[in-house]
Amino acid sequence: QQQVKQSPQSLIVQKGGISIINCAYENTAFDYFPWYQQFPGKGPALLIAIRPDVSEKKEGRFTISFNKSAKQFSLHIMDSQPGDSATYFCAATPSNSGYALNFGKGTSLLVTP
Amino acid sequence: NAGVTQTPKFQVLKTGQSMTLQCAQDMNHEYMSWYRQDPGMGLRLIHYSVGAGITDQGEVPNGYNVSRSTTEDFPLRLLSAAPSQTSVYFCATPSYFGDGTRLSIL
Repeated sequence: QQQVKQSPQSLIVQKGGISIINCAYENTAFDYFPWYQQFPGKGPALLIAIRPDVSEKKEGRFTISFNKSAKQFSLHIMDSQPGDSATYFCAATPSNSGYALNFGKGTSLLVTP
Repeated sequence: NAGVTQTPKFQVLKTGQSMTLQCAQDMNHEYMSWYRQDPGMGLRLIHYSVGAGITDQGEVPNGYNVSRSTTEDFPLRLLSAAPSQTSVYFCATPSYFGDGTRLSIL
């Protein structure tokens, strides 16, 4: 059973545009929500993460928005660049479980020039 | 990737063979995990550990064993390889993933 649902499966954005990826979860024990970026042939790399005590976290061009009541969180990539083209995964975990992550199925992002 | 080293990078096995995927970290982190990545499935948790001597099962543990005798090392053992175990395997700490082992079972 997929504990974290991610959409869309794929996304095409023009350079300079905003990329938005959404995730939803059901388990209220989840209290750590990271996003990972993966390039072909490489392992996922931690991009940004949020805990449910804040509704938004921004790091450079990357922002996580978190809605605790709706059990949803999203990644916004501002001013998207061709170098951002990669697969993005959201995840969730109860942090007292050893950070054993439940991943969404991923979003393949293509940023066109 | 910095801090998590996986070996080998590639491996081809025959059905029924056993092997161990190695994972080592140099960050002295208590938490380590193993995931498999399959097309369209995302990453799925196989086993994880919250410290030396302590392991637990994840979402897809069947056919795999782990042990954690030291903080640094967290090997994953395939007991009797099956074609369904063809996948890319990643070892991770909370902040870092290794670059993976690409495993094919014929």
